[in-house]
Amino acid sequence: EPEVTQTPSHQVTQMGQEVILRCVPISNHLYFYWYRQILGQKVEFLVSFYNNEISEKSEIFDDQFSVERPDGSNFTLKIRSTKLEDSAMYFCASSERQGNEKLFFGSGTQLSVL
Amino acid sequence: SQKIEQNSEALNIQEGKTATLTCNYTNYSPAYLQWYRQDPGRGPVFLLLIRENEKEKRKERLKVTFDTTLKQSLFHITASQPADSATYLCALDMDTDKLIFGTGTRLQVFP
Repeated sequence: EPEVTQTPSHQVTQMGQEVILRCVPISNHLYFYWYRQILGQKVEFLVSFYNNEISEKSEIFDDQFSVERPDGSNFTLKIRSTKLEDSAMYFCASSERQGNEKLFFGSGTQLSVL
Repeated sequence: SQKIEQNSEALNIQEGKTATLTCNYTNYSPAYLQWYRQDPGRGPVFLLLIRENEKEKRKERLKVTFDTTLKQSLFHITASQPADSATYLCALDMDTDKLIFGTGTRLQVFP
């Protein structure tokens, strides 16, 4: 079965550093998302992306965050200047249909900001 | 704003029994509601989607109901197995491009 792949699985960074989290969505999917989950808390929406532009973002997704689909396969999340509170598991997801139906999630990148 | 409540307590049941998990929400009813399974350190895995005009949906040993009057969904696993042990997440569409997830209910099936 096709799957969403994320790299790296773990990322440790110093506060203030830039990080880029990478994702390869399922090839025929058109809708892409980033969610995050702080340890012991719920999965939270960050941003959705369709047709090469952001379609929606949450209040968490401030000016320090950006997303990009640099080619036909990769989908990246960049955090420009990481903060301690950015430490979380970041999940990429994709779907075939609009409206969040049946999201396929990757295994996540565990980001630790020291 | 929309709130979702799932049993925060872990649910422990014996193998072979039916597990029933609850998802309650406030405010308006979503167009549809989804259930996902999450194993430790892994991403959520889609299980079932039920629309507001559907009362019940089944898939193998799984059954979901959706009561827009009670603002509640029930998720059932029949003939439960230890391999069903995981956290189960309820998620609501907000008629936008985002899903709102509940905190999840941890299910433990013991032999």
